[in-house]
Amino acid sequence: EVQLLESGGGLVQPGGSLRLSCAASGFTFSNYAMSWVRQAPGKGLEWVSVTSSSGGSTFHADSVKGRFTISRDNSRNTLYLQMNSLRAEDTAVYYCAKTGDYGDYYIFDYWGQGILVTVSS
Amino acid sequence: DIQMTQSPSSLSASVGDRVTITCRASQSISSYLNWYQQKPGKAPNLLISGASTLQSGVPSRFSGSGSGTDFTLAISSLQPEDFATYYCQQSYSTPPTFGQGTRLEIK
Repeated sequence: EVQLLESGGGLVQPGGSLRLSCAASGFTFSNYAMSWVRQAPGKGLEWVSVTSSSGGSTFHADSVKGRFTISRDNSRNTLYLQMNSLRAEDTAVYYCAKTGDYGDYYIFDYWGQGILVTVSS
Repeated sequence: DIQMTQSPSSLSASVGDRVTITCRASQSISSYLNWYQQKPGKAPNLLISGASTLQSGVPSRFSGSGSGTDFTLAISSLQPEDFATYYCQQSYSTPPTFGQGTRLEIK
């Protein structure tokens, strides 16, 4: 059974940093691209970042470029999102999402339960 | 970025009804269109990929169609568990983008 378990969220002041983790199990983690997708309270879904299966290629949304960094440790089956210079508009539930077996980076067939990040003074 | 526009934004229907949700892309995305269902407080769940491929375990009352810029999600006979928010998403290009969502409510 595929499981994705996010951790590391919480309350942080504007300008602060957080690192999210997503522990994966139930599949061969190193074979799949992984993404972070977020959802502001009461709002829709926004893709944030993707990393290739090896971690050698990454892309970020313009809204977080230069502030957020996605990475992965395939030996630990863990995905990360380093978030710096946080803003109030980064407040959201953050989901890690697994790419499906479609040769397409952006079909998300499994999602974690989500972790809340609140940026407020 | 490719803009995805869903209609309607909300919809009231009864158990047993047939409903359709439309998604329009700001440019052609071939069949790189996916549909997700999200229930309150839960993560999204992939229903359909490639515009019309039903995911394993998804009931056959769900169907998807379309290509290019215009797509449709249909639910043939609404069940109580189908009342949720539905999102379309294009996987044609980076960044992947989602529609604003369609909230399906019980009439």
